[in-house]
Amino acid sequence: DAKTTQPPSMDCAEGRAANLPCNHSTISGNEYVYWYRQIHSQGPQYIIHGLKNNETNEMASLIITEDRKSSTLILPHATLRDTAVYYCIVRVLYNFNKFYFGSGTKLNVKP
Amino acid sequence: DTEVTQTPKHLVMGMTNKKSLKCEQHMGHRAMYWYKQKAKKPPELMFVYSYEKLSINESVPSRFSPECPNSSLLNLHLHALQPEDSALYLCASSQTTGTGLNSPLHFGNGTRLTVT
Repeated sequence: DAKTTQPPSMDCAEGRAANLPCNHSTISGNEYVYWYRQIHSQGPQYIIHGLKNNETNEMASLIITEDRKSSTLILPHATLRDTAVYYCIVRVLYNFNKFYFGSGTKLNVKP
Repeated sequence: DTEVTQTPKHLVMGMTNKKSLKCEQHMGHRAMYWYKQKAKKPPELMFVYSYEKLSINESVPSRFSPECPNSSLLNLHLHALQPEDSALYLCASSQTTGTGLNSPLHFGNGTRLTVT
């Protein structure tokens, strides 16, 4: 399974866009990129996922590079409630049960 | 609120006790998962059930015994645990067929376990 690399922490000013990078240089064609976040003492919360096209939902946008070796999660207008650990996960389609978390990025949204 | 319910929220047990963690979902998902999360670390996959059958055991010690009595319930039986087993135990579920093959996992808020 492809591994992911994320910066351990990032800061973002409230109201600004938060851009969280993820490197998955060994990703293969049948692997999806998922993003989750975990607010302290809660279970991980699903944000978005994609295969090769950019995706957008009410929470965030996912930008995947053309070679699929990296992706960026964009929170367009960060609020204090977006302070959390954000996990980028690569999931193999044929083995959907294997869902492994990487080390994640702690996003600190500051007033 | 989450659609995956875990009980209890907190549990303190001695090393000689036997206890069980429970997880329930009513989304019709046929894959259910147990994860263990130590403080300031990412969740680690322990077990996966697919259609009520154990499909993945990530070399978890036998003092952790999972059970899936039906498609909505998942238990984790605990016996003779060690203090280092203290952690947040997370349950999740997902779809398994058709377009659901790439559907996301839905997590509960976990059981905070302390072994004394």
